[in-house]
Formats: sequence, structure tokens, C-alpha cells
Amino acid sequence: QSVLTQPPSISAAPGQKVTISCSGNSFNIEKKYVSWYQHLPGTAPKLLIYDNDKRPSGIPDRFSGSKSGTSATLDITGLQTGDEAEYYCGTWDLSLSEAVFGGGTRLTVL
Amino acid sequence: QLQLQESGPGLVKPPETLSLSCTVSGGDINSGAYYWGWVRQPPGRGLEWIGIINTSGRTFYKASLRSRVFMSVDTSKNQFSLGLTSVTAADTAVYYCARYKSFNDFMDVWGRGTTVAVSS
Repeated sequence: QSVLTQPPSISAAPGQKVTISCSGNSFNIEKKYVSWYQHLPGTAPKLLIYDNDKRPSGIPDRFSGSKSGTSATLDITGLQTGDEAEYYCGTWDLSLSEAVFGGGTRLTVL
Repeated sequence: QLQLQESGPGLVKPPETLSLSCTVSGGDINSGAYYWGWVRQPPGRGLEWIGIINTSGRTFYKASLRSRVFMSVDTSKNQFSLGLTSVTAADTAVYYCARYKSFNDFMDVWGRGTTVAVSS
């Protein structure tokens, strides 16, 4: 059972938009920055979003993040088949004194 | 460009100790306000944070692994290491090393991962 809750899967057609949610509590998301990662099988996870809503250099603006209270979201617009991957949110948990990931959301682009 | 590369045995017998190293290239492990950490992914499951260490040796470990995990840094080799004692089949996973930005709490540079199987 992950500290951060994500939907296990989501799907949409190419060109559409999806929103992946990440739900936490007052000890983690509410007080700490949230990051998002894209993970394709057999590769290294890639940082997509950090500090809730910032994109590292090279990440297209189709990917955007936001946070409100104890939840965060990752939006992906203009879906492409290459976006099919597992997406994870992450943050620090002040009560556990450790970093935590969500359980991951598998995105399928139909 | 900073790169990380994991190394270590691909097979460990229970209840031995799993030992992995991560070599940092393209940059100095001492530079910046960073920690250096480990994440694993068991087969069919999600990412699991294991812990982090800075070059002063300060560590934070996942609570459920704290009794079995230890990390170290060798700045002369630009390397950091993970040890996990008394392994069981549940420790079978792909292990990733990564750079961790403290306070902001994100991992921005990752190794490609190394598969470790625990089996007798």
C-alpha cells in the first residue's frame, strides 16, 4: 500500500489529454514539493516535473504539473503513442522521514 | 553531462548481503546540495525508495528496510554504495541509483538500473 495514491491505469486516444492524480496528506504533499516521473520498461525513470510544476530542460510543455492541498496532478496533452509508460508521483513524507512514491499509473494510448 | 552507472552481482543467495555500487561520471559527487540514493522496482510492482546519503555520510533510509540497509560514499572514487543484509526473494528487483536534490525532493539523474535476483 503506497503512501501516495494514484489510479492504477488510464487510457486515451492519440491527441487527447489525460490527467493523472496523486493523493497524499498533510505530512507529505501538502507541505512538500511533488515530482513526477515517466518510466518505460527496461529504461531509467525520467524526471518530468519537479517542484510541483517545473519542467526540466528537454521536457515538452505537453507535460504540466500542479498541486492543491494534499493532491497533485500531472496533465499530458496532445497524447502520443510514445507517451505509453508508467507514471509515478513522488515527494518527502515528514512523518516517515523518507521519500515516497505513488503506486504508479499505467498510461495506454489507444 | 552527469551519468550514473550501477554495478554488482546479478545473483545473490539468501540470506547473504546484496552489495551494489554506483559510479558517478561527468561530474563531481561532492558538488552541490545533493544526496545520492537508491530506488528499486520488484517484478510487477512500482518504484520503491530505499534511501539516500550525502557526501558527509548523513543518511535517510526507508523505515521498513532500516535494520538491513547501509549506504556509503567514496569520494575518491566518485562512487556510492548500497548494502542490504539478510536478503530474501522479496529483495529481487531492478535497482537504480540516482541523484537526489534535498529540500526539493526530486531525483533528476538516474542510472539505467541493474537486475538483482535473490535465489539459492
